[in-house]
Amino acid sequence: QVQLQESGPGLVKPSGTLSLTCAVSGGSISSSNWWSWVRQPPGKGLEWIGEIYHSGSTNYNPSLKSRVTISVDKSKNQFSLKLSSVTAADTAVYYCARGMSGYVKPYYYYYMDVWGKGTTVTVSS
Amino acid sequence: SSELTQDPAVSVALGQTVRITCQGDSLRSYYASWYQQKPGQAPVLVIYGKNNRPSGIPDRFSGSSSGNTASLTITGAQAEDEADYYCNSRDSSGNHLGVFGGGTKLTVL
Repeated sequence: QVQLQESGPGLVKPSGTLSLTCAVSGGSISSSNWWSWVRQPPGKGLEWIGEIYHSGSTNYNPSLKSRVTISVDKSKNQFSLKLSSVTAADTAVYYCARGMSGYVKPYYYYYMDVWGKGTTVTVSS
Repeated sequence: SSELTQDPAVSVALGQTVRITCQGDSLRSYYASWYQQKPGQAPVLVIYGKNNRPSGIPDRFSGSSSGNTASLTITGAQAEDEADYYCNSRDSSGNHLGVFGGGTKLTVL
């Protein structure tokens, strides 16, 4: 059973870079999945940040694309998120998740079936 | 702004049936997935694909789709179903970007 665990600093200074890692256990990061990051500001809804395939292919939320980098480390079976030039608006609970996508006629499907517990990141001086 | 639109809040009497809807252009070609989130917890997938439930999700949860609208139906709502519910899909740009609805707060009366 695949499990995900986020880790990283809980406090980041404004204009700094937020760096988080998601460790994958019980399965391989080289499986046919999209490895995703999702965040949730306090009292607000879920926001999709982006995703990476084990091949290195990435998709990013256009509103964050200029500041986001998601990478994969197959040797450690983990993937990472970097968000640069952070402000207080980036304060949120950050989740990593395993994404599945494909096509079953006549529709495409996309869902995230395994989630980490989430880690709170506060941007403050 | 979200490309998937949900009603902010819905209520249902205990034991009754409730439908939570999600609208968006991408739903004409993508099945929506649905997540339940309780306070202080990570989201949990409850419906995916045409109408599939992950292991452990009660069969009172079901999904359907018509045109640009996806629906999550809870038949015989229980007190423990009170939570926020989010729909999710790829967006309509064709660039394989993920998108969530704004969420629906379900209150079980």
